[in-house]
Parts: sequence; C-alpha cells; structure tokens
Amino acid sequence: QQPVQSPQAVILREGEDAVINCSSSKALYSVHWYRQKHGEAPVFLMILLKGGEQKGHEKISASFNEKKQQSSLYLTASQLSYSGTYFCGTERGNNDMRFGAGTRLTVKP
Amino acid sequence: EPEVTQTPSHQVTQMGQEVILRCVPISNHLYFYWYRQILGQKVEFLVSFYNNEISEKSEIFDDQFSVERPDGSNFTLKIRSTKLEDSAMYFCASSEGWGTAKSGANVLTFGAGSRLTVL
Repeated sequence: QQPVQSPQAVILREGEDAVINCSSSKALYSVHWYRQKHGEAPVFLMILLKGGEQKGHEKISASFNEKKQQSSLYLTASQLSYSGTYFCGTERGNNDMRFGAGTRLTVKP
Repeated sequence: EPEVTQTPSHQVTQMGQEVILRCVPISNHLYFYWYRQILGQKVEFLVSFYNNEISEKSEIFDDQFSVERPDGSNFTLKIRSTKLEDSAMYFCASSEGWGTAKSGANVLTFGAGSRLTVL
C-alpha cells in the first residue's frame, strides 16, 4: 500500500534540476508531496488530484499520471533552501495517507 | 495560521513503561493521524481516526498501541509497555477530510513531533 519513491538520494549544485518519482501499485485518488527539513515536521508542498492538472509552486512542479499511478516532482534551478527529504503521500479517497520512503535532496553551493 | 500542537517534545522512558503522547489538532479538522519516524528513516503510518473511532491502522499499530480523543480537543497515543524499538519521532497530523475541505483536498497538517527515547 505504500508508494515507492526513487531515487533514494540526490546531490545537486545550486541551479541544477532534479526529478523525484513516486509510484503505486494501487489505484490512486490523489498524490501529495511534502518536504521535511532535518529535525522538523513534514510540510505540505502540493497535491495532485485524479483528473487534475499539473501543479506548480515557485520552481517546484509536479505531474500525476493516473493510468500509470505515477507522480513526478520537478525541481528546477534548485536553491540551497530546497535541501531536505521529499516524501510523496498517496491516497485512495479514504482519507488514509501513506508515505513513500523519501528522497533526500542535498543542494550544494 | 492554525497549527497542530504536540506534547511533550521529548520524552525519555524506561523499557516496559507506559507512555502517552498528546496532540491538539486544528479545531475544525475531522481526521486525525499518528505517524512514526525512526531516526533518518521513512514516515510510517500508524493509525487514522475519525468520528471517535479508528478508521485505519497499520501492522505496526498492535495491541500495545491505543488512541483516544478524551475531551473533544486532545488526541492521544498510548504505548502500553514500551520497547527499545519504539524509540522514534511520533508525528500527529490532522485534516479536514475529503468532501469538507474548501479546497476539496485532504491536506494533512503535521505537528512538530514528539521524540520518544526508550532506554
């Protein structure tokens, strides 16, 4: 029931781009993306709903392929503040959120 | 901005002791959750709670765990007899739930977490 994320870790230089993938074996109603800074709680970034469109937040955007039950998070022109662990959360319309194992993103100057 | 409040922020206990972690969800939220994160690892679902009963629970949430909403504002997680492997950060979250949220989406708001250390 838990989504699968890849890659496990990414190291970038400032200004570089990254893609984080999330997939599920179950039919999904929505995909959520959260970012967790070290020692802090996860913070909501965006949600993609079934039948919805691609979303964006600053230079972070995401897509949701309903047929493949996959979502991708795109980080463009990364900034130091983007460092953290990114979790995708998936839901099947029953208010029950399960998270992937996380992708640790490190942005270096 | 409304927030989810958790207490204590850190608790140290001896193996076999009972622990109660407390959470005050956002006041108009209807769904409540507990998640666990062992240091450096993934955020694991424990339980979801709606309308004063458990709606879903994971295989981690065994008989040692229980949840309660004793007074309409607090949401507690009790671990009856702690084990070393219960050491983790425990996050409470709440949401409006599908169908009631203005945005139409079930966005979770997390508390800052309670770090449990079992010795």
